[in-house]
Amino acid sequence: QSALTQPASVSGSPGQSITISCTGTSSDVGSYNLVSWYQHHPGKAPKLLIYEVTRRPLGVSNRFSGSKSGNAASLTISGLQSEDEAEYYCCSYARSSTFVFGAGTQVTVL
Amino acid sequence: EVQLVESGGGLVQPGESLRLSCAASGFSFSSYWMSWVRQAPGKGLEWVANIYQDGTEKYYVDSVRGRFTISRDNAKNSLFLQMNSLRADDTAVYYCARGGGCTRTSCLFFFDYWGQGTLVTVSS
Repeated sequence: QSALTQPASVSGSPGQSITISCTGTSSDVGSYNLVSWYQHHPGKAPKLLIYEVTRRPLGVSNRFSGSKSGNAASLTISGLQSEDEAEYYCCSYARSSTFVFGAGTQVTVL
Repeated sequence: EVQLVESGGGLVQPGESLRLSCAASGFSFSSYWMSWVRQAPGKGLEWVANIYQDGTEKYYVDSVRGRFTISRDNAKNSLFLQMNSLRADDTAVYYCARGGGCTRTSCLFFFDYWGQGTLVTVSS
């Protein structure tokens, strides 16, 4: 149950696109199309952005999109906005009804 | 509106116990897997445990198995986490979240609603 690997930080200017990577193993990300992404502002409840690799819940902006290839998943934020500044976490189902999160990526809007 | 409200956090000494509660409202609680997720200071999110809709299946992260017990009371729309033999590295904000598996009617291998969290501090 090792944490998924994410970059510690990613930054971009308003309007730009950024991509956050999430690398797992053949036991989690690589075995299931069950990767989800969360946005977390300090002191608030985490918010689901993407589930099942590419699906967006109702109400989540289409500026957020997800993808996966092999043991790695990615979250892309297009048209970066100041309110996107937050911590982002990936999560994968990891067999036997367990889950593993990434260590988190701090997104900074320059 | 779905709401999850955690309570029961506090300051305890190593080796002591604490019981967290999560009051759910705005959805059919007994129809969903429920989970606990924590965040240690300066660290990322960590899945802790989940429980099937009727409580018959429970799963834990290795670091808490044997010390923590997840349970639920569907009649009271409540989720619990009994934490025994607490250690300093259990210090974290603990979140209650909806989701964590497949029920008879739907699959949520993700966490679509979260509470605001309750802080547990283990220190002498």
